[in-house]
Amino acid sequence: SQELEQSPQSLIVQEGKNLTINCTSSKTLYGLYWYKQKYGEGLIFLMMLQKGGEEKSHEKITAKLDEKKQQSSLHITASQPSHAGIYLCGADIQGAQKLVFGQGTRLTINP
Amino acid sequence: KAGVTQTPRYLIKTRGQQVTLSCSPISGHRSVSWYQQTPGQGLQFLFEYFSETQRNKGNFPGRFSGRQFSNSRSEMNVSTLELGDSALYLCASSFGQTADTQYFGPGTRLTVL
Repeated sequence: SQELEQSPQSLIVQEGKNLTINCTSSKTLYGLYWYKQKYGEGLIFLMMLQKGGEEKSHEKITAKLDEKKQQSSLHITASQPSHAGIYLCGADIQGAQKLVFGQGTRLTINP
Repeated sequence: KAGVTQTPRYLIKTRGQQVTLSCSPISGHRSVSWYQQTPGQGLQFLFEYFSETQRNKGNFPGRFSGRQFSNSRSEMNVSTLELGDSALYLCASSFGQTADTQYFGPGTRLTVL
């Protein structure tokens, strides 16, 4: 089974709407990373969260880490076409010697 | 500061051939990790090099190998290519500590015919 589960797998929203993407770990989280990927290109680092309850924002994107739930959420406010892409969460999790990634969430913004 | 660079960006090979991909990390970064990304399997870890030594290895066959040079640049090699090796190969660099953020290159798109 997937150690990191992302939901939803795909999301289509109207421009200007808010949206949330979730990333849940089946094991203890030690650090959680959010990346964005344009199709066929490399991953762009967005944010890193390390402490329970930590919340970080960059422009209209906010990420939170809920250590108890072993979950992180990525929230985009007033979405724009430039937000379209694939969002991936990666994490340092218990028992893993490498960064583990979720399957990604494909975000489409309709004008 | 320049980002992670990967060469070549695109590659087409036939079954049975071998291929070498190159990755130049961000200046000052000593760790380079390689990942394979496919639509079906997502992003899968291949291996990590730190100070010219392989520090971690994923669950890939021995056809996949890598190395790191003294300037931290890294290469990965895939021998006896199979159709299933078609993928986007990404490398990421970091300073080298476990919790350090990894910064990714643009990837090399390998197509095996």
